[in-house]
Amino acid sequence: QVQLQESGPGLVKPSGTLSLTCAVSGGSISSSNWWSWVRQPPGKGLEWIGEIYHSGSTNYNPSLKSRVTISVDKSKNQFSLKLSSVTAADTAVYYCARWFRELLRSWFDPWGQGTLVTVSS
Amino acid sequence: SSELTQDPAVSVALGQTVRITCQGDSLRSYYASWYQQKPGQAPVLVIYGKNNRPSGIPDRFSGSSSGNTASLTITGAQAEDEADYYCNSRDSSGNLPVVFGGGTKLTVL
Repeated sequence: QVQLQESGPGLVKPSGTLSLTCAVSGGSISSSNWWSWVRQPPGKGLEWIGEIYHSGSTNYNPSLKSRVTISVDKSKNQFSLKLSSVTAADTAVYYCARWFRELLRSWFDPWGQGTLVTVSS
Repeated sequence: SSELTQDPAVSVALGQTVRITCQGDSLRSYYASWYQQKPGQAPVLVIYGKNNRPSGIPDRFSGSSSGNTASLTITGAQAEDEADYYCNSRDSSGNLPVVFGGGTKLTVL
C-alpha cells in the first residue's frame, strides 16, 4: 500500500525558508489524487497548508499563500513544501498526506509519520 | 464560513457508547471524514464518506450526518480508543478548500 515519508531539516532560523520533501512509495504520485501538506503546532490542532496534483496544479491556504510553494517531482515520485520567511509561529509537526477528493466526500489517507520543524536561532 | 466546531473534550466509561460531534456549514454539502490521533503519532483515518471504515478500523466506529452536524460514534469504547479525534471536510463556501475541526480529546474512564 502507499506509504509517505517526510524528510528535511528539523531546525530553521527565523526569516529563513522551511523545506520538506515527501517521498511516496508503494504507488505512483501520478495517480488520480491530490497530495497535501498539513501541520500541527505543539499541543494544537491540524492546519491544512496546501495541495498539489501531479499535473502541477496547486491550491494553498490563503493565510499562508504568500509564503508557500508546493511542487512535484514525478521522476522521483515525491512532492515538496517550501515555506518562506518563517517565524516561531511556524514551529510545528509537518505531515504529508494523500487526499482523495470526490464529489461529496474527501479524506486524507495515508499520512506520513510527521516531522517536527522548529524555528529558532 | 470555513469552520468546523468540535467539543474540546468528551469522556466515556469503558464499554459504553460515545458520540463525538462536528458542526459546520460545509457539512450541509459535504460528508465529514474523521481521524484518530494518539500522542506522538500521525492522524489515522477512521471514517469517511457517508459511513465508510478503512480496512483495519474496528466496526465499533461509525459515522452519521444530519444537517450541519456530523457525528462519530464509538459503540463499546475501549481503552485504546482514548485519543484526539478530528473531523475534516471540503468547503466551497469560504476561501479555504479544506477545513479541520479543532479536535476532541476523548477520555475512556
